[in-house]
Amino acid sequence: EVQLVESGGGLVQPGGSLRLSCAASGFTVSSNYMSWVRQAPGKGLEWVSVIYSGGSTYYADSVKGRFTISRHNSKNTLYLQMNSLRAEDTAVYYCARVNSSSWVNDYWGQGTLVTVSS
Amino acid sequence: EIVMTQSPATLSVSPGERATLSCRASQSVSSNLAWYQQKPGQAPRLLIYGASTRATGIPARFSGSGSGTEFTLTISSLQSEDFAVYYCQQYNNWPWDTFGQGTKLEIK
Repeated sequence: EVQLVESGGGLVQPGGSLRLSCAASGFTVSSNYMSWVRQAPGKGLEWVSVIYSGGSTYYADSVKGRFTISRHNSKNTLYLQMNSLRAEDTAVYYCARVNSSSWVNDYWGQGTLVTVSS
Repeated sequence: EIVMTQSPATLSVSPGERATLSCRASQSVSSNLAWYQQKPGQAPRLLIYGASTRATGIPARFSGSGSGTEFTLTISSLQSEDFAVYYCQQYNNWPWDTFGQGTKLEIK
């Protein structure tokens, strides 16, 4: 059974850093494209970043230069390092697997809340 | 950036009736359009991809149609568990996917 479990969210001050983790089971993270998608409170969904199976990474303009997506193959875990956090980064962050046939997010984690506030 | 616009923002429908949700793209996305369902406190759930292909385990009462810039999600006979927020997503401009703002489907 495919499962994604995020952790690492919490309250952080503006300008601070946080690292989110997404532990996967039932499939191999490094063999798939993996995404982060966020949702601000009461708002819609926003794509944040993706890492390809080959290691290439891409970011939304809103986080480029501040966020870094990575993975640990032996731990089968995806990460999102978030630096220089801003109030507008406050959101629930979801990790999701990208289906290699359909190119859509077919499995999602339950999400982890990041709150940026002083 | 491809902007996705969903309508209406809120749709009130009685159980057993048909619901029709719309999604419009600011430029053609071919058939690279997905629909997700999200219930309060839960992650989004993939319903439809390729504009009209149901994801694994999705009931036949959910159907998608359209191509180019105009898309529709139809739920043929609403069940109580279908009341939720629905999002469309274009993935034609991969990896810079964009989502619509959502349509809340509520019980009339």
